[in-house]
Amino acid sequence: GQNIDQPTEMTATEGAIVQINCTYQTSGFNGLFWYQQHAGEAPTFLSYNVLDGLEEKGRFSSFLSRSKGYSYLLLKELQMKDSASYLCVSFNQAGTALIFGKGTTLSVSS
Amino acid sequence: SQTIHQWPATLVQPVGSPLSLECTVEGTSNPNLYWYRQAAGRGLQLLFYSVGIGQISSEVPQNLSASRPQDRQFILSSKKLLLSDSGFYLCAWSVGRREKLFFGSGTQLSVL
Repeated sequence: GQNIDQPTEMTATEGAIVQINCTYQTSGFNGLFWYQQHAGEAPTFLSYNVLDGLEEKGRFSSFLSRSKGYSYLLLKELQMKDSASYLCVSFNQAGTALIFGKGTTLSVSS
Repeated sequence: SQTIHQWPATLVQPVGSPLSLECTVEGTSNPNLYWYRQAAGRGLQLLFYSVGIGQISSEVPQNLSASRPQDRQFILSSKKLLLSDSGFYLCAWSVGRREKLFFGSGTQLSVL
């Protein structure tokens, strides 16, 4: 299987910045996704990195280092609605399907 | 625009009963289709994926099976449910193998 490691839980306060790290076993294709999942709901797409570097999209940014098998999701100006699970997602060995990490549950407090 | 429909939203079934969950996609042709399961407190586990009609790949051995009788229809089945089959089942589709996934709203299955 594909090992994807990310912290289980994180806490932060409104307006703060939080970085969620992810390490994964590289396969033949090294693109990486981040998804957000609110409790009881389906995951929704946040970002996709296929090249090394930082991709910025509004309050959310995602970074990838393919050689290191490392990514992070950066959330700025946190809001209460950002309380959710953040899933780091890589490819299976065949590159044919996405494999999800267990997710990092982020709790944002006022 | 593309939409994905998954039903039912919730399901309570006794152990040993059969299962059939259906998923359909609209607004696209020849999508890649997927079934994932999320057990309580665990990550999403890929169960099956399909790149075309009649083409099913299984990621893990289990008590479940999948079928794709039509291009935009994906069915998850079981002949006899186990307690361990309880979980949140999600159907998803993508344009290609390395494209982002779009998820259905999910089915919460409780096997009692």
